[in-house]
Amino acid sequence: EAGVAQSPRYKIIEKRQSVAFWCNPISGHATLYWYQQILGQGPKLLIQFQNNGVVDDSQLPKDRFSAERLKGVDSTLKIQPAKLEDSAVYLCASSLTAGGGVANYGYTFGSGTRLTVV
Amino acid sequence: TQLLEQSPQFLSIQEGENLTVYCNSSSVFSSLQWYRQEPGEGPVLLVTVVTGGEVKKLKRLTFQFGDARKDSSLHITAAQPGDTGLYLCAGRGGSEKLVFGKGTKLTVNP
Repeated sequence: EAGVAQSPRYKIIEKRQSVAFWCNPISGHATLYWYQQILGQGPKLLIQFQNNGVVDDSQLPKDRFSAERLKGVDSTLKIQPAKLEDSAVYLCASSLTAGGGVANYGYTFGSGTRLTVV
Repeated sequence: TQLLEQSPQFLSIQEGENLTVYCNSSSVFSSLQWYRQEPGEGPVLLVTVVTGGEVKKLKRLTFQFGDARKDSSLHITAAQPGDTGLYLCAGRGGSEKLVFGKGTKLTVNP
């Protein structure tokens, strides 16, 4: 089966500019996640969607970050305006289910978008 | 906030050696997963452990979940250069949110 697709792979922008990332999850996966991975750290959850609804966005800096998942399939993550500390790899992942007592499905990650803010 | 501490942070060994990496927390997890991440790629799931005391084997990799479901270990026998990567543990707690550790960066030299 096709994996999780992300684009672009790399992006370099100046601080205060805007940037958008795109993710296409595995077909049939209801749950989609955006993670931020800063160099030397593990991934940190930014936002979780169940179909096209937001389940958890408690760690999303909402003053500058926004995300949407129209029609419960593709998703975009936007940063506006970007700061230097936003430099990181942005990973999209999908899973059949969010968990909740059902079998503990693993996440399938995309290759990520490496963002550099200068 | 549930935290997962991984140790060591960095590990560099010779091909053929054995190694163990650890994942510890003060919190109880309903399940714990191990992922491997190679440079420029996303993490890839290796295993999920659910039951306290559970041991799972994947070829030369042995994963163990602590009896109290607060810790886990990954043991690699006869490491090979292809094992090089960032090993991440991730625990699922009461909120069902998956929380990742910072990872152990393993380098296996030929």
